[in-house]
Amino acid sequence: EAGVVQSPRYKIIEKKQPVAFWCNPISGHNTLYWYRQNLGQGPELLIRYENEEAVDDSQLPKDRFSAERLKGVDSTLKIQPAELGDSAVYLCASRDGTLGEKLFFGSGTQLSVL
Amino acid sequence: AQSVAQPEDQVNVAEGNPLTVKCTYSVSGNPYLFWYVQYPNRGLQFLLKYITGDNLVKGSYGFEAEFNKSQTSFHLKKPSALVSDSALYFCAVRDGGATNKLIFGTGTLLAVQP
Repeated sequence: EAGVVQSPRYKIIEKKQPVAFWCNPISGHNTLYWYRQNLGQGPELLIRYENEEAVDDSQLPKDRFSAERLKGVDSTLKIQPAELGDSAVYLCASRDGTLGEKLFFGSGTQLSVL
Repeated sequence: AQSVAQPEDQVNVAEGNPLTVKCTYSVSGNPYLFWYVQYPNRGLQFLLKYITGDNLVKGSYGFEAEFNKSQTSFHLKKPSALVSDSALYFCAVRDGGATNKLIFGTGTLLAVQP
């Protein structure tokens, strides 16, 4: 069974440029999370989806960040425009709520904003 | 508000010795507690969880954790450390009676010396 797939693995952009990250969760997982992990820190939740509905986006900086999960499967997280402080690893995770509390994480996208 | 604390940035232990990685939490309802491990350039991997039942829970790779309600702790333990256990360990908590929001600690780097 394929795990959570994220792309790209690395992204380097200049500040003020847009950037997008893509996540394909494990098939059948209805809950999808986007986390941001700064260097030396634990992951911080940005947004959580239950199917196609964003049920918790309280930590998402909505002035520049946006996300979508059309059809309740894969998801895209976008930053426009990017700032230097956005440099971090962006992690996607998914969960099958019927099988318990375990989250499955992708390998992440490491973003460097220059 | 829920929170989790990992008081040690790094834990050093010799191979073959027992290890403990500390975690304390704060939630308003019943805690759902988790440990995840992160190897270099990899996504987080689930180790174990406590939802209800026995206070001592066993997980992957020989790890176990003990839930202590009076001390609001959930320390990760292993009787005999391996060099391959060297990684970054994250404790996480969810308030079982509230939202599905999983909060991570800042992580503890475990270094096992041969």
